[in-house]
Amino acid sequence: QVQLQESGPGLVKPSETLSLTCTVSGGSISNYYWSWIRQPPGKGLEWIGFIYSSGGTNYNPSLQSRVTISEDTSKNQFSLKLTSVTAADTAVYYCTRNTLHPTVGDVWGKGTTVTVSS
Amino acid sequence: EIVLTQSPATLSVSPGERATLSCRASQSVSSNLAWYQQKRGQAPRLLIHGASTRATGVPARFSGSGSGTEFTLTINSLQSEDFAVYYCHQYNNWPPRDTFGQGTKLEIK
Repeated sequence: QVQLQESGPGLVKPSETLSLTCTVSGGSISNYYWSWIRQPPGKGLEWIGFIYSSGGTNYNPSLQSRVTISEDTSKNQFSLKLTSVTAADTAVYYCTRNTLHPTVGDVWGKGTTVTVSS
Repeated sequence: EIVLTQSPATLSVSPGERATLSCRASQSVSSNLAWYQQKRGQAPRLLIHGASTRATGVPARFSGSGSGTEFTLTINSLQSEDFAVYYCHQYNNWPPRDTFGQGTKLEIK
């Protein structure tokens, strides 16, 4: 059974770059859509973007200028970079596998908390 | 941007009873709507996609209905493990312009 695990720094300074990795185990990263979704403390969910295993990407327009999602098939991982972060980027970040539709997560990681603070 | 409005914000229901949760879209999303369950401290879990299709492993007491702008998630014979926050998610546009509702908290009465 496929499992996803997010990893990365839990604390990022304002104006710096947030970098997270999602490691996929129990299955190949190939031939699927993979997404990042975030949830600010006490709030709802926000779709960040997806990558398809061929390298195609699509991002939330509100974040597009700051977001890059990439993949490393040799490590069975995909990654998120978010530049110029502010306190508003403080959230739990989830990675998902999307089998039924490019943006509908049917398998989720447990999430990782990122706090933006000096 | 398509806005999803969930109601009520909090729903109090007794175990064994039925819960009915609503999600209204600001414009038609056809049947491109999903429902997720999120328990405290956990990741969301996909329950329903395509407005009415249960995801793999989801108990039959969960059902989704609706199309266009009005959607309902019904949970029959509530079990203790069903008390959680529920989110709707529309994925109607391409390229994606996905949005989520603000959530309905289902609590024990």
